[in-house]
Amino acid sequence: KAGVTQTPRYLIKTRGQQVTLSCSPISGHRSVSWYQQTPGQGLQFLFEYFSETQRNKGNFPGRFSGRQFSNSRSEMNVSTLELGDSALYLCASSPGLAGTNEQFFGPGTRLTVL
Amino acid sequence: AQSVTQLGSHVSVSEGALVLLRCNYSSSVPPYLFWYVQYPNQGLQLLLKYTTGATLVKGINGFEAEFKKSETSFHLTKPSAHMSDAAEYFCAVSEQSGGSYIPTFGRGTSLIVHP
Repeated sequence: KAGVTQTPRYLIKTRGQQVTLSCSPISGHRSVSWYQQTPGQGLQFLFEYFSETQRNKGNFPGRFSGRQFSNSRSEMNVSTLELGDSALYLCASSPGLAGTNEQFFGPGTRLTVL
Repeated sequence: AQSVTQLGSHVSVSEGALVLLRCNYSSSVPPYLFWYVQYPNQGLQLLLKYTTGATLVKGINGFEAEFKKSETSFHLTKPSAHMSDAAEYFCAVSEQSGGSYIPTFGRGTSLIVHP
């Protein structure tokens, strides 16, 4: 089976812009979660989608949003980018809900905000 | 809110030596516990997982972890370190909140293996 894929792998944006990141889960997985990874804060949970519904949400501002399509592919959007949004954004898929199942992580999208 | 503490942001061992990476959590009820490994420029990969049952969990690559409820700990060990074990290791804990389990990750421990 192909693994979790994320596009693009690298992205450079300027403050105030918006960005959309894409994630394709492993075939058959219905859960997709997003995480922000930074050296200072580690891995922080953004949100989880399961069968096109947002199941859980972390403690991030409303500028961070996401959605999941019927084929389980997911997108994450960040509007009005701030310098502090620079991070590695990881997507993870799971056959069941993320909290109780193994998660399979993609390689991440490295976002740099200038 | 759940918190996960990994003692030591960096752990350095010699090849062949015991590896011990510490993880403590704050949950008051038995949670789901995980250890993941991240190699450079890659996503995280599951090493092992505890749900219920036997408190000693065996994982891939010779790693194992022991769930100690009284100490709220889930330390990761490997009897003999190999150079290929050098990576970032993350402990994750899922506790039920409002009917859902949300995973919380520790800040990670970088394992350095010396020849």
